[in-house]
Amino acid sequence: GAGVSQSPSNKVTEKGKDVELRCDPISGHTALYWYRQSLGQGLEFLIYFQGNSAPDKSGLPSDRFSAERTGGSVSTLTIQRTQQEDSAVYLCASSTKWGAGTDTQYFGPGTRLTVL
Amino acid sequence: QQQVKQSPQSLIVQKGGISIINCAYENTAFDYFPWYQQFPGKGPALLIAIRPDVSEKKEGRFTISFNKSAKQFSLHIMDSQPGDSATYFCAASGRSNYQLIWGAGTKLIIKP
Repeated sequence: GAGVSQSPSNKVTEKGKDVELRCDPISGHTALYWYRQSLGQGLEFLIYFQGNSAPDKSGLPSDRFSAERTGGSVSTLTIQRTQQEDSAVYLCASSTKWGAGTDTQYFGPGTRLTVL
Repeated sequence: QQQVKQSPQSLIVQKGGISIINCAYENTAFDYFPWYQQFPGKGPALLIAIRPDVSEKKEGRFTISFNKSAKQFSLHIMDSQPGDSATYFCAASGRSNYQLIWGAGTKLIIKP
């Protein structure tokens, strides 16, 4: 079975442009997470979706960041007016069951974003 | 109180040696402690996990040791191999929390 996929794998953009990053979770997984990983750093939680519940957006660093999840499956992370400090790898993960912290998170390969 | 502190930041071990990575937490409500392994260009993947009702869990060459009173847990990699070279993250969560609280990661290099 397919794992979590993310696209594009690499994105280079100019400062001030908007970007959209896509995540296709494992089929049937109800929970979906977005993380940001700066070079050589740990995982920074951004946003969490669980089924049809309102997402937990508490990790979004600014109002330039937004995310949606359509039909309980595919998710898109949008960064508006990108800044150089947004350069990082953006990771998506999904998990089954009820998205409890004890559920295994399955990660995609990430999208490497470079803002020039 | 939500933090998980991981050390060392980087570690170099000779092939065949024992790699040890440590994590400490403050929140006594945490009851699930996984370790994730990340290779360059890949997302993290679950390696091994433990609950506080046991003090040790072993899977092949990988062992988690858990000290509930000290609020510490560690990953031991026995007979370390070059293929173990990766970044390792510890994490913790509580029963009522959907979020994993992540350590900062340890970059492990195994020298042939």
